[in-house]
Amino acid sequence: RKEVEQDPGPFNVPEGATVAFNCTYSNSASQSFFWYRQDCRKEPKLLMSVYSSGNEDGRFTAQLNRASQYISLLIRDSKLSDSATYLCVVNIRSQDDYKLSFGAGTTVTVRA
Amino acid sequence: NAGVTQTPKFQVLKTGQSMTLQCAQDMNHEYMSWYRQDPGMGLRLIHYSVGAGITDQGEVPNGYNVSRSTTEDFPLRLLSAAPSQTSVYFCASSRGSGYNEQFFGPGTRLTVL
Repeated sequence: RKEVEQDPGPFNVPEGATVAFNCTYSNSASQSFFWYRQDCRKEPKLLMSVYSSGNEDGRFTAQLNRASQYISLLIRDSKLSDSATYLCVVNIRSQDDYKLSFGAGTTVTVRA
Repeated sequence: NAGVTQTPKFQVLKTGQSMTLQCAQDMNHEYMSWYRQDPGMGLRLIHYSVGAGITDQGEVPNGYNVSRSTTEDFPLRLLSAAPSQTSVYFCASSRGSGYNEQFFGPGTRLTVL
């Protein structure tokens, strides 16, 4: 089983719509969770960290469900510029240290 | 600050050739790492370093070597290129270790024929 799994999509939504997608992780001891954004043929960039209580950053809301081991990202009032691949990233314990494990990404396309 | 820089941006190699991918960061980050990204798969960790003189293997280290003689530089060497190493390679740096925000370079697109 993959450490981090995401629905690859694509999610095709009109401008102004709300889109939401999840990511599941297998290691119950994971401590930190992130969403990164990756534009086509570019490097990933941090979108937001995900906190236990859930958090918002403008039109983006991230939630963490430890019991079911998933995190979610919701985008409200979608803009054309939100078209990208969203990577779920989980901090996984590895021997004496932690490492980041990346999901394969969920592609979102916002159309005019 | 330039952040994380990588060279070259594109490279084509023949099977068996060797080469070095360069990575440098100017943020004084202790932690640096190399990932490869293949279609349908998440980024996979090749090697990482927690500081100058210290390196360790990641998830997919075979066929690659690294060294960290300075805080700024973290080159990745392909010893004898194979078609399976065709991929996009990202270098990243962060303060501390795996907990913190990773800053990625623009990537190197490598094709091995």
